[in-house]
Amino acid sequence: DTGVSQNPRHKITKRGQNVTFRCDPISEHNRLYWYRQTLGQGPEFLTYFQNEAQLEKSRLLSDRFSAERPKGSFSTLEIQRTEQGDSAMYLCASSDQGAGYGYTFGSGTRLTVV
Amino acid sequence: AQSVTQLGSHVSVSEGALVLLRCNYSSSVPPYLFWYVQYPNQGLQLLLKYTSAATLVKGINGFEAEFKKSETSFHLTKPSAHMSDAAEYFCAVSPSGGKLIFGQGTELSVKP
Repeated sequence: DTGVSQNPRHKITKRGQNVTFRCDPISEHNRLYWYRQTLGQGPEFLTYFQNEAQLEKSRLLSDRFSAERPKGSFSTLEIQRTEQGDSAMYLCASSDQGAGYGYTFGSGTRLTVV
Repeated sequence: AQSVTQLGSHVSVSEGALVLLRCNYSSSVPPYLFWYVQYPNQGLQLLLKYTSAATLVKGINGFEAEFKKSETSFHLTKPSAHMSDAAEYFCAVSPSGGKLIFGQGTELSVKP
């Protein structure tokens, strides 16, 4: 068990470009969550999956954001037409049988839009 | 709507002193409650969690928290602060076992 893995660790992109992040959860965890964290703030919920089904999506998530978990294993988060306001740390977490068992977080992907 | 309030965005203590980080929540149902710690440029590490068993929960690194339903609080304590405890601490609630809702965080500084 290598924990939750996120790639890349850092991404610098120009405004208007598309970016994609990957998250590999703990293999036996059926739930996967994406969060966004800006400097000095707590993580904000974006979306989560149970297996391959996307069960909830935050109203904060604009149409430029999309997430997938095609085979119920790894997940990708894509941001289209990036804006400077998208600059943040994107965190992935996984859990087994719901939050009552605790979440395990990855180290995050830091996105900088210039 | 469920929410979490952490009182004090920054707390400073001396090494060896008591650490008290405050967290109040609002939830319409009995919640799951968590404390996480975050070191610079890292993800979040679970310190402890309350899942409706014992109201006094012991976690890692000597931390503990007490669930008080009447006060809707889940304050984090440690009897004696260590320099390595300096970090950002987040309280979080999961009302129904799904997503986590986080507080704004409390930065803990430990003075020698």
